[in-house]
This record gives sequence, C-alpha cells and structure tokens, in this order.
Amino acid sequence: DQQVKQNSPSLRVQEGRISILNCDYTNSMFDYFLWYKKYPAEGPTFLISISSIKDKNEDGRFTVFLNKSAKHLSLHIVPSQPGDSAVYFCAASARRDDKIIFGKGTRLHILP
Amino acid sequence: DSGVTQTPKHLITATGQRVTLRCSPRSGDLSVYWYQQSLDQGLQFLIQYYNGEERAKGNILERFSAQQFPDLHSELNLSSLELGDSALYFCASSPRDRGRSLNEQFFGPGTRLTVL
Repeated sequence: DQQVKQNSPSLRVQEGRISILNCDYTNSMFDYFLWYKKYPAEGPTFLISISSIKDKNEDGRFTVFLNKSAKHLSLHIVPSQPGDSAVYFCAASARRDDKIIFGKGTRLHILP
Repeated sequence: DSGVTQTPKHLITATGQRVTLRCSPRSGDLSVYWYQQSLDQGLQFLIQYYNGEERAKGNILERFSAQQFPDLHSELNLSSLELGDSALYFCASSPRDRGRSLNEQFFGPGTRLTVL
C-alpha cells in the first residue's frame, strides 16, 4: 500500500522553463510534507517542506503547493537550471508519528 | 556533505551471509533512521533510534536488526541474506526525537549492498 505516490518516474524540462513535479497521498492523517533532492552516489538532501495549515511555501526558485482536499502537492522550480537535474522524492508524515513516508521519486532532466 | 557518514560504501556478499552496516550521525544529533532503497522503489523506512533506544519501526524484516551505541553511532545488521536484500541502505540523523522542525532528516551517502 503506497501512501505517497509520484506517478511520473521521469520528467524532461528545457532549461529556463518551469518544472512541475507532482505527488499524491492517501493518508488523511499526514499533516507535514517534504521534498528531498538526490544526486547520484549521494544521500537525499532536504529541499523544502510545507505544513497542512498552509497551501503554499516558497523558497527562492522552489515553491511547494498543497491541495488538501485533493490530497495532492506539487513542487515548482522556476526557472529550471542544469543543476536541478536529480531525483526528487516527495515525503509525508503525521504529527503523531515520526516516520516519514517517501514516494518512489521522479527523475528530473533539465535539457540545455 | 551532510555530516552523516556511512561505512562501507559498497558491500558484496553471498546469500545466507550476515553483514553489518555502520552509521555515524551528525555531531549533536540524537536520532538515527535507517532506510532501504531497492531498485525502482522509494525509500522504505526501516527503524529509528533515539539516544540509544528504539523509537519507531517500519518495514523491517525479522532477519534485520539495529542498535544505537552510547557514542550515538548506529549499526544495521542484516542476516541470512537473500538476493532481494540487494539495495541501497541509507542512514539519516536529526537533532531531536519529535517536533515538526525535526522532520528534515540529514542523510548519509548510503551503503550499496549486493547479494550474489
């Protein structure tokens, strides 16, 4: 039972354009959501998070949007840069539970 | 560099064997988490320790066990290895046990285990 789903295994975006990575979740108890970025041969690194009391959180070129009614969140990267090519993991947790549940990841390719 | 170290980087072994993966958390971090990433799978949470005590368990097999030592480093023991145990094993650390800001975990580079 996959509680966090990233349905696009890969995404190709032109440099300078917007990258939109999507994530769906099924557990209504999740109230905190995170995005991690992973380069080859490295561990994931924390990118941005959002609490369920918000519907948007912005940090530089990265913005995460949360639609609780649809149980959907998305990560927008504007403008996309070559260094953004990586695997992006969506993750979620519930206040009562310290476990972070990760999706399978989306591989983002930024094209020159 | 996250400050979390994992050894070894690569491990090749045979079915039925036992291995130990080691993790040193960031200085000052009391929580250690172990994850498994198999081919085409996301990060599967295995187990969490906080200051030497087991805190949470995920999809950890009975053949697997872990512990956290007084110096806060942690070891993940995998026994009776099967082909399907081949995966990347990540360790992550965070400063405290609970709390919203603590969900940002710092990951080590991982240990790639290959079972032949």
